[in-house]
Amino acid sequence: NAGVTQTPKFQVLKTGQSMTLQCAQDMNHNSMYWYRQDPGMGLRLIYYSASEGTTDKGEVPNGYNVSRLNKREFSLRLESAAPSQTSVYFCASSEAQGDYGYTFGSGTRLTVV
Amino acid sequence: GENVEQHPSTLSVQEGDSAVIKCTYSDSASNYFPWYKQELGKRPQLIIDIRSNVGEKKDQRIAVTLNKTAKHFSLHITETQPEDSAVYFCAAWTEDLTFGKGTMLLVSP
Repeated sequence: NAGVTQTPKFQVLKTGQSMTLQCAQDMNHNSMYWYRQDPGMGLRLIYYSASEGTTDKGEVPNGYNVSRLNKREFSLRLESAAPSQTSVYFCASSEAQGDYGYTFGSGTRLTVV
Repeated sequence: GENVEQHPSTLSVQEGDSAVIKCTYSDSASNYFPWYKQELGKRPQLIIDIRSNVGEKKDQRIAVTLNKTAKHFSLHITETQPEDSAVYFCAAWTEDLTFGKGTMLLVSP
């Protein structure tokens, strides 16, 4: 069991470039999430997918889009990267919405120059 | 939305001492409170959680207490060891999981 797999691990983008962060889980979880982590800010929710076929905005969705491709995969797209999007991005999954623990991926460190 | 405050932001203890991290939440509808440990450069990992119908839960050296009336919950680590050094995050769940800003725990040998 790989758990939650994120790619890539590191990425440097120029301002205005686009990219997609990939996330896949093999635990048959229904719910998936994208968080960003910035120093002193904790983990902030960007988007989530409560179940296959649904997506919803979190606390900081501006500048991002998501796709729940199937039950396993949930991607995060930056259409026009900005320096303010420099961060560590974590994907997570849980059995369902509610009182279930999250399993996190290993993260993507993104730098926008 | 939910707001989770976490204190202290940093905590230094000697090996063998106890460590306590406290969190408060704002939404009385929150009903699930997990704690995550994040070692440097690693992913957050769930270490313990508590649901709103329980006041205390223990797992070996770690315990969590919940006071629903006061809307606060705490993580207690006893007999701390250097490998407990990490950033600890509390969280509260209502419609989604809201995290505190984290506590950096440093355990000195």
